[in-house]
Amino acid sequence: DTGVSQNPRHKITKRGQNVTFRCDPISEHNRLYWYRQTLGQGPEFLTYFQNEAQLEKSRLLSDRFSAERPKGSFSTLEIQRTEQGDSAMYLCASSPPIRERGQLQFFGPGTRLTVL
Amino acid sequence: DAKTTQPNSMESNEEEPVHLPCNHSTISGTDYIHWYRQLPSQGPEYVIHGLTSNVNNRMASLAIAEDRKSSTLILHRATLRDAAVYYCILRLPYNSGGSNYKLTFGKGTLLTVNP
Repeated sequence: DTGVSQNPRHKITKRGQNVTFRCDPISEHNRLYWYRQTLGQGPEFLTYFQNEAQLEKSRLLSDRFSAERPKGSFSTLEIQRTEQGDSAMYLCASSPPIRERGQLQFFGPGTRLTVL
Repeated sequence: DAKTTQPNSMESNEEEPVHLPCNHSTISGTDYIHWYRQLPSQGPEYVIHGLTSNVNNRMASLAIAEDRKSSTLILHRATLRDAAVYYCILRLPYNSGGSNYKLTFGKGTLLTVNP
């Protein structure tokens, strides 16, 4: 398998700017997840897609955050009017539709966001 | 999701076995026990999972207590590349309904491997 890829790997932005991250899941994985991880903490769930449908959003996902998966393949996560508290690692994961393997999530390397 | 408790950190020597404990006293009968690990500057990676019986794979072994209230991840011969944060996570089967598709991570156990 080609793994989950995320771009960019690092992003430095000024407070108030908009940023967009991209996630390319493993081919034929129909489920895609976004997580956020701050220093010293485990990843926290943000949102989940099954194909192109966004089925769940965490309360962590404020109105400034929007995620899309327009054709059920790659996904984008946009943060508008960034704040310093948005500084974190943003992780993407995908799962295949197969029942047993579908229990597992395969993570990308993450995008580290720094808001100055 | 039911909660898990892990030590904050553990230390091991290279080429020695490592036993990473996890307590999950409120586990339900259908919760699977999953382990993921996160190497420095990388995303988490799946290690192993099980329901009731002990499990082995190329990476590790999972020993599950008979009452399922605790489990132990066993690395048979630790290497420097095993230095990571190890997360123990409880999950319902995917098709059981509800919000069981996401992973709920705690802080995990930071494993240090000494050369």
